[in-house]
Amino acid sequence: SQQGEEDPQALSIQEGENATMNCSYKTSINNLQWYRQNSGRGLVHLILIRSNEREKHSGRLRVTLDTSKKSSSLLITASRAADTASYFCATTHSSNTGKLIFGQGTTLQVKP
Amino acid sequence: GAGVSQSPSNKVTEKGKDVELRCDPISGHTALYWYRQRLGQGLEFLIYFQGNSAPDKSGLPSDRFSAERTGESVSTLTIQRTQQEDSAVYLCASSLGVQGGYEQYFGPGTRLTVT
Repeated sequence: SQQGEEDPQALSIQEGENATMNCSYKTSINNLQWYRQNSGRGLVHLILIRSNEREKHSGRLRVTLDTSKKSSSLLITASRAADTASYFCATTHSSNTGKLIFGQGTTLQVKP
Repeated sequence: GAGVSQSPSNKVTEKGKDVELRCDPISGHTALYWYRQRLGQGLEFLIYFQGNSAPDKSGLPSDRFSAERTGESVSTLTIQRTQQEDSAVYLCASSLGVQGGYEQYFGPGTRLTVT
């Protein structure tokens, strides 16, 4: 069963603007990961943040993690039309099993 | 290096038939996972294999679903007596390990349609 929730469910912005997506989860975690999915098929890993980390950067991506609030955010700066996709957060439980529990996802549309 | 591959890419089957979905993980990856994604939804964990350990089957929705893995290579997911609610994209992923958190590499998925 899904344990995470993401908001907004859908986001539409202009190219060049920043996009922020939020994720909440329910259990204690080992790490939280963000994935991108184009056209409803294979997922691409974007970034992993461990439970003892608060912020992580990768190129135009910035992820924050607040374990006290059981929430994370993904910021995409200076968005491009090619960023149009669905974005999912996924967590692994603190018991350190490998299975990922996914949120419902945010659909991002970047208009040129 | 090849990524995770899955076959078939699309499968249409009649209700009540059995189907087998195949996953070839990245060579050297000890962990292999199966997920299901219904239309417009996030991914649901089904099962994972890690080395020689007993698989974690906690996500399998019913006893019609089963999966096998040969050593650290190919895996097959079998759905018996398919139902319309089984229609979904079935995604396989592999990773170098489990402990400590590893990136999972996903295949392109198999789109299953049960008519």
